[in-house]
Amino acid sequence: GNSVTQMEGPVTLSEEAFLTINCTYTATGYPSLFWYVQYPGEGLQLLLKATKADDKGSNKGFEATYRKETTSFHLEKGSVQVSDSAVYFCALSDEDSNYQLIWGAGTKLIIKP
Amino acid sequence: DAGVTQSPTHLIKTRGQQVTLRCSPKSGHDTVSWYQQALGQGPQFIFQYYEEEERQRGNFPDRFSGHQFPNYSSELNVNALLLGDSALYLCASSYPRANYGYTFGSGTRLTVV
Repeated sequence: GNSVTQMEGPVTLSEEAFLTINCTYTATGYPSLFWYVQYPGEGLQLLLKATKADDKGSNKGFEATYRKETTSFHLEKGSVQVSDSAVYFCALSDEDSNYQLIWGAGTKLIIKP
Repeated sequence: DAGVTQSPTHLIKTRGQQVTLRCSPKSGHDTVSWYQQALGQGPQFIFQYYEEEERQRGNFPDRFSGHQFPNYSSELNVNALLLGDSALYLCASSYPRANYGYTFGSGTRLTVV
């Protein structure tokens, strides 16, 4: 079945550091891929998405490219801020999963000043 | 444009009681999904409603039931509450084929004592 694997956290970085959170997926079809972010005490927010191979999703300085050849959708940001501290979830949906979100386990990101 | 709204934001119930949580989808969305998120974990899919019917269901007991109204709003009902039902309950809305992702509400924090 479909699945999403993302790097374990917590990931701790200093402010202005470069961020990469790895995400790989397994899917039989052609999924859409998503990154969601959850700030402390809040619900989930869609951060960015990509619906086909080679698409790049971007938002708030974060980027992720849909790589079909490596089945990856790694999240990157060039210079993180303390306000980026949150839990980041990678997810996919496709016809095989009846368009339900298949979630990674989440990666907690801690940015220190 | 209002996003997904959930009520109440916080709730404390006693074991054995029943609870009803409410969700209004984002304008233009007609599909509502419910998720349970225990502390420190990723969301777990409960069920999805479309056209006032339960279309998909996750691995949750029959104590969890729902309803969707003609205006697309939805309710989640949990009977015979257990301590383990304490969690953040998230509602998400989408179009039927959610290739473009789900919009989440801020959630209802349920505490069972």
